[in-house]
Amino acid sequence: EPEVTQTPSHQVTQMGQEVILRCVPISNHLYFYWYRQILGQKVEFLVSFYNNEISEKSEIFDDQFSVERPDGSNFTLKIRSTKLEDSAMYFCASSGTGGENYGYTFGSGTRLTVV
Amino acid sequence: EDQVTQSPEALRLQEGESSSLNCSYTVSGLRGLFWYRQDPGKGPEFLFTLYSAGEEKEKERLKATLTKKESFLHITAPKPEDSATYLCAVQVRGGSYIPTFGRGTSLIVHP
Repeated sequence: EPEVTQTPSHQVTQMGQEVILRCVPISNHLYFYWYRQILGQKVEFLVSFYNNEISEKSEIFDDQFSVERPDGSNFTLKIRSTKLEDSAMYFCASSGTGGENYGYTFGSGTRLTVV
Repeated sequence: EDQVTQSPEALRLQEGESSSLNCSYTVSGLRGLFWYRQDPGKGPEFLFTLYSAGEEKEKERLKATLTKKESFLHITAPKPEDSATYLCAVQVRGGSYIPTFGRGTSLIVHP
């Protein structure tokens, strides 16, 4: 069964450092997403990406965040200058069509720890 | 403000003891309601989408139902492997396609 692959599974970084989280969405999917989940809290939307541009973003997704699809397979989330409060699980997801009638396929996540 | 509330926060069942999880929503209009399962340290796994009141979907021991104000996820004769956090997410009509997640119900099924 096709799956969304995320690397690394765990990243520890110093406050103020830049991190790049990587995702390989399902190959024939068109819509890509980043979500985060702070420990014990709910899954929160960050950004959606379609046709090589951001289609929607939340208030969390400020100027410190950026996304990129550098080639035909990878989808990345960059945090420019990490803060302690950026510590969370970051999930990439993809879907075949907009409207999401069939739900998203999520990756297993990257646990980001900012120290 | 649109809101999604799941209850209970945690539920412990004995194997074979059927029960239901609740997701209540207060949104201006529902486009779709989604159920996901999340195992510890993993991403959510899609289970069902429901669109209109009266609709039901089933998968193995799980059945999801929808009314105008809430959805139930019924678990019949659960097994220990059904232990997980069950997440509900709603998509609002006329607004963003991005669904809003509830906090989830953590289910533990004891053998």
